[in-house]
Amino acid sequence: YDLIQAPAVSVSPGQTARISCSGDGLAKQFAYWYQVKPGQAPVLVIYKDDERPSGIPQRFSGSTSGTTVTLTITEAQAEDEADYYCQIADGSGTSVTFGGGTRLTVL
Amino acid sequence: QVQLVQSGAEVKKPGASVKISCKTSGYIFTDYYMDWVRLAPGQGLEWMGVINPNTGGANNAEKFLGRVTLTSDTSTSTVYMDLSSLTSEDTAIYYCARNGDANYVDYHYFDSWGQGTPVTVSS
Repeated sequence: YDLIQAPAVSVSPGQTARISCSGDGLAKQFAYWYQVKPGQAPVLVIYKDDERPSGIPQRFSGSTSGTTVTLTITEAQAEDEADYYCQIADGSGTSVTFGGGTRLTVL
Repeated sequence: QVQLVQSGAEVKKPGASVKISCKTSGYIFTDYYMDWVRLAPGQGLEWMGVINPNTGGANNAEKFLGRVTLTSDTSTSTVYMDLSSLTSEDTAIYYCARNGDANYVDYHYFDSWGQGTPVTVSS
């Protein structure tokens, strides 16, 4: 499966950021989202399309529609500046695909 | 709490091999599959492979077939990733990442990550 993400999204603090990920596989498999900040390990922010792990702020949410999934960050903060990657698996445990990543700028 | 602690930074020459360790704690080692993911400069996350820590059975991404060997040691709750025939394109940060669900076939994602091991390949 290929996953397509816009390279960059920019919002002002307090605005809503929407980061999308498209691919045929998204119609059949769950999507997952990771936040990657420079010098830090990736952090899971959304799993199984729209579930939020414990410790992730409520302003992070996920949604899906057909072959597109969207990560929404409501009232984005400066600390949310990062690269965000969507991820999908093949359903057999033998392959994982990441999107190309979207750099979110909050300023 | 779940902890994945990786070995330190490496500098290698082209053609060499590198072996990275990932020592786990805070959960039952054999209950969760472990994957390896890398992040190269200016590139995105790239999945390399997955290992069943209990049996040692592994699947590698097609791109790395023949170059990556994943192993596990249940006595020390540690997994290893060995990458051979290094080139400059293998310069990256390498992460071990624990699968987020014991059912990794239906839910293959990563809820805990090691701190990363930088590998530099340079002559």
